[in-house]
Amino acid sequence: AQKVTQAQTEISVVEKEDVTLDCVYETRDTTYYLFWYKQPPSGELVFLIRRNSFDEQNEISGRYSWNFQKSTSSFNFTITASQVVDSAVYFCALSEIMDSNYQLIWGAGTKLIIKP
Amino acid sequence: DVKVTQSSRYLVKRTGEKVFLECVQDMDHENMFWYRQDPGLGLRLIYFSYDVKMKEKGDIPEGYSVSREKKERFSLILESASTNQTSMYLCATVGANYGYTFGSGTRLTVV
Repeated sequence: AQKVTQAQTEISVVEKEDVTLDCVYETRDTTYYLFWYKQPPSGELVFLIRRNSFDEQNEISGRYSWNFQKSTSSFNFTITASQVVDSAVYFCALSEIMDSNYQLIWGAGTKLIIKP
Repeated sequence: DVKVTQSSRYLVKRTGEKVFLECVQDMDHENMFWYRQDPGLGLRLIYFSYDVKMKEKGDIPEGYSVSREKKERFSLILESASTNQTSMYLCATVGANYGYTFGSGTRLTVV
């Protein structure tokens, strides 16, 4: 069965600290996409990254980095030198490429609070 | 850029009312989705549609129906609103390259 688990319900850190958000997934397929989305207090979901299951290279975008480990079925997200504007709910999601309906399976989200 | 527009940002309705949530996309995408978002539960799929007049139930369809008469518009209908349907509702569409686009959401309160 497909499932995405974000075990951390809420994380609170002080500005400038590094923080890692965990994401563990389960899927029956060998080909899939993994996503991270950010939802700031305004409510709109903001796309952060999409990763194909064939590409296990880690990715860095500014202060954001993602660690994809197929062996542990994890796709963790790290924010370096966090800022108050990073405060949001972050969602990890999975889409199986064999699913012709393009459905997304979502984690429950991690609320990140960055204190000044 | 793909745009997904949800007609209302905030909505307050009374118990028992019939409620329509509208979603319009401008990219000619075939697949559209309605999600409900509640704290600690993430996004749960209510219904999706892969073509005009085609619809499929998601994980939590009870109490909801949908309509897709035109490709660009996907409506979510609460036949008789109840207080447990107070939630944030998100519409989304997806292109062939797995590029998902979400509307800004409708925060519905049923009193």
